[in-house]
Amino acid sequence: DAGVIQSPRHEVTEMGQEVTLRCKPISGHDYLFWYRQTMMRGLELLIYFNNNVPIDDSGMPEDRFSAKMPNASFSTLKIQPSEPRDSAVYFCASSAGQDGGETQYFGPGTRLLVL
Amino acid sequence: RKEVEQDPGPFNVPEGATVAFNCTYSNSASQSFFWYRQDCRKEPKLLMSVYSSGNEDGRFTAQLNRASQYISLLIRDSKLSDSATYLCVPSSGTGRRALTFGSGTRLQVQP
Repeated sequence: DAGVIQSPRHEVTEMGQEVTLRCKPISGHDYLFWYRQTMMRGLELLIYFNNNVPIDDSGMPEDRFSAKMPNASFSTLKIQPSEPRDSAVYFCASSAGQDGGETQYFGPGTRLLVL
Repeated sequence: RKEVEQDPGPFNVPEGATVAFNCTYSNSASQSFFWYRQDCRKEPKLLMSVYSSGNEDGRFTAQLNRASQYISLLIRDSKLSDSATYLCVPSSGTGRRALTFGSGTRLQVQP
C-alpha cells in the first residue's frame, strides 16, 4: 500500500523565493497534518485539515505560510517569501478518523534549505 | 511546564542491555499515548499505542502512571537496530486530533 507521498524530497532555494511543498495522504484518510522539524524546536504542528477543511492553523508561523487542501488526495504548503529561518524538514501526515484519528502516518518529509 | 518532557539523552547502551525512558506530560485530560520511533533523517513511525495502564509488544513495554502523569518505555535485549530517537506523544484528550510530540530521547546501542 502506498504511504503518504511528499514532493519534492529536497528543496534548495534563495531567500525571497516562493516554495511550494506537496502532499498526497493515504487513500481514505480524512485528517491531514503539516509539521515542521528543526533541531532547536523539535516537531511542531503547523496546521491540520479534516475532510479538506482547515481545523487548526494556530501553529502557522506567520502570514508568509499558507496551506490548502483542494481535495481529499492533495495538499500544499506554501512559503512566500521564504527566509533562511524557514530551513527545516517539513512532514505531512495523515490519519483515519474511524480509529480515533490519533495514529498518524508520516510521509518521508521535504528537506528545505533557504540560502 | 512543557506539555511533554523527555530526557534528550543520548542513552548509550551495549547490545543485549535493558534500557528505559521516561516521559512526563502536563495535560491531565490525555487519554491515549503513543511512542513513535524516528531514525536519523527519516520520518517518525508509530512504535506503540497505550490506552490503559500499559502495553507490551515483544521486547518493548510501555507503562502509564496517570497519577504522576508519566509514561515509560522499556526495551529489553537491545539490538543495534533499536538505535533511534523515541518520541513520546500524549493525545489532547479533548477530541482535538492534533498531537503534541515530545522532543525525543536518543538511543544508541553499541556492539
